[in-house]
Amino acid sequence: AQSVTQLDSQVPVFEEAPVELRCNYSSSVSVYLFWYVQYPNQGLQLLLKYLSGSTLVKGINGFEAEFNKSQTSFHLRKPSVHISDTAEYFCAVSPQGGSEKLVFGKGTKLTVNP
Amino acid sequence: DAEITQSPRHKITETGRQVTLACHQTWNHNNMFWYRQDLGHGLRLIHYSYGVQDTNKGEVSDGYSVSRSNTEDLPLTLESAASSQTSVYFCASSATGIMNTEAFFGQGTRLTVV
Repeated sequence: AQSVTQLDSQVPVFEEAPVELRCNYSSSVSVYLFWYVQYPNQGLQLLLKYLSGSTLVKGINGFEAEFNKSQTSFHLRKPSVHISDTAEYFCAVSPQGGSEKLVFGKGTKLTVNP
Repeated sequence: DAEITQSPRHKITETGRQVTLACHQTWNHNNMFWYRQDLGHGLRLIHYSYGVQDTNKGEVSDGYSVSRSNTEDLPLTLESAASSQTSVYFCASSATGIMNTEAFFGQGTRLTVV
């Protein structure tokens, strides 16, 4: 079975500051890793994903994440945030081998203040 | 454009009533999923389907059922609604295969059981 821990439930930052949202996972098998974003009153949208290859993954809206297998982490970063990045962010894993079910963390609410 | 739609967007029902939430996708995806989102829990998997006539239980399936009679639809039924089932429900779909590991989400249905 897989589990995902998002270490911060809320992260407040000022506009143009850098941000890191932390995600650790546990799994007995190899996994694919994802970050999804949820804007208020909307569904989830894929930000980026790691399937294989380079451990640094770039996504939409200037976000990137780095897969660290030894630390079982997949932290999300952005060098300079905007007010419009205010949203909830979810880290998720899916076991390799095709079950394609996503296991989500509890989410991190990012609030960008002017 | 292909899309995934949920209806209704909002529903209030009474304890003990049967309720069905609709999910329709035009992506022609084989995989469909139902999640519920609750504060402090993130998204938890209720039921999922890998194709027509296939249904499987997820992490929190008690009190819910699904059926898959065609590729496009996966309705979620609450057999006898309980207050504990007050939540926001999300439907998602994805294609089969390693390179198609992205789930597309509907806008959600907010269900209140009174």
